Amino acid sequence: SQQGEEDPQALSIQEGENATMNCSYKTSINNLQWYRQNSGRGLVHLILIRSNEREKHSGRLRVTLDTSKKSSSLLITASRAADTASYFCATPNGGTSYGKLTFGQGTILTVHP
Amino acid sequence: EPEVTQTPSHQVTQMGQEVILRCVPISNHLYFYWYRQILGQKVEFLVSFYNNEISEKSEIFDDQFSVERPDGSNFTLKIRSTKLEDSAMYFCASSPQGGSGELFFGEGSRLTVL
Repeated sequence: SQQGEEDPQALSIQEGENATMNCSYKTSINNLQWYRQNSGRGLVHLILIRSNEREKHSGRLRVTLDTSKKSSSLLITASRAADTASYFCATPNGGTSYGKLTFGQGTILTVHP
Repeated sequence: EPEVTQTPSHQVTQMGQEVILRCVPISNHLYFYWYRQILGQKVEFLVSFYNNEISEKSEIFDDQFSVERPDGSNFTLKIRSTKLEDSAMYFCASSPQGGSGELFFGEGSRLTVL
């Protein structure tokens, strides 16, 4: 798989349920970021986890990072219809220092009211 | 809350025409970027810009593309002689510092080349 690949590609759940999305990457990283994109809109940064961190929380979001497996997960707890969006992981590309991020294909999350 | 603004939100152009997409980054940010997203595909890095020059560019960013910061607030992407395959959403982003931290994205400019 390419750098920053998410799975599943699509996820459909009911409001109140938890949603888990996974991301795998290939090269070593110093951080991994998750972004959200509402349909036809711009990307919004959700959370950044550094390579020396294993878990990070922000509100209803919980991100884990396993550098040995080169994988990360994003958990959204108690989902709401407003969480319906595409979610992307992104990694800095090969140690560059100029904001060149490689994005995954994304997970399309649909939360049904 | 400060935000990155982009204009136009949608532009339709004929193949071969020149297009300029405009962005106003967040005022105290120093690093500026253009990304694009072809419909149904990944968001792809095009170019980064710092201190009035290109810091890094991707293979996509060939001689057809150029960027400019003509004044203290605007950051533009020019596409010369547009092709059908240039149709995409173009996102401007900025960040307060270099490195690999958070990027702040605009809402995008949708370019349709006919």
